[in-house]
Amino acid sequence: KAGVTQTPRYLIKTRGQQVTLSCSPISGHRSVSWYQQTPGQGLQFLFEYFSETQRNKGNFPGRFSGRQFSNSRSEMNVSTLELGDSALYLCASSLGARMGYGYTFGSGTRLTVV
Amino acid sequence: GQQLNQSPQSMFIQEGEDVSMNCTSSSIFNTWLWYKQDPGEGPVLLIALYKAGELTSNGRLTAQFGITRKDSFLNISASIPSDVGIYFCAGQLREGTYKYIFGTGTRLKVLA
Repeated sequence: KAGVTQTPRYLIKTRGQQVTLSCSPISGHRSVSWYQQTPGQGLQFLFEYFSETQRNKGNFPGRFSGRQFSNSRSEMNVSTLELGDSALYLCASSLGARMGYGYTFGSGTRLTVV
Repeated sequence: GQQLNQSPQSMFIQEGEDVSMNCTSSSIFNTWLWYKQDPGEGPVLLIALYKAGELTSNGRLTAQFGITRKDSFLNISASIPSDVGIYFCAGQLREGTYKYIFGTGTRLKVLA
């Protein structure tokens, strides 16, 4: 069974540009969550989607947005990139409401903003 | 952003030693999770805890959901070199929400 797939694995962008990251969840998983991981701030929750609807949102500026498609694949977009957006972006997928059903992380996309 | 207090931040231990780490908060949690992250990879779920006082094992790993629901502990017995990595706790504040708060991580290094 394939795991959570995130593309691309690495990305370098310049300030002011925008970027789109992709996450394909495990087959059958309908919930996808996104996290930002930085050395200084640790793992910070961005948002969670379930059946194409955003159910929860973290404390990030509006430059961070996401969406989920009918096949449960999700994309995250960051507009007007800032140097501080450099981080490892992780997505995780799950079947249902409890983590024990299988909340699985992808390997992440490492974004570097120069 | 919100974070759980996780300690210690890092630890160096000898192979074969037991390891203990914990997470504390002023908030009450419904679920506690423990993850391990290897360099360049996403976190991998080790243990999930759902009830106050619950004690759960996964091989050499044992975790407990504190009875106050404000803390959790992870123990690793007889550590081996592949235990190296960063261990994170995560807490779920409300049932049914996927907004998990993560601890700051414990970086474990095992000396052979």
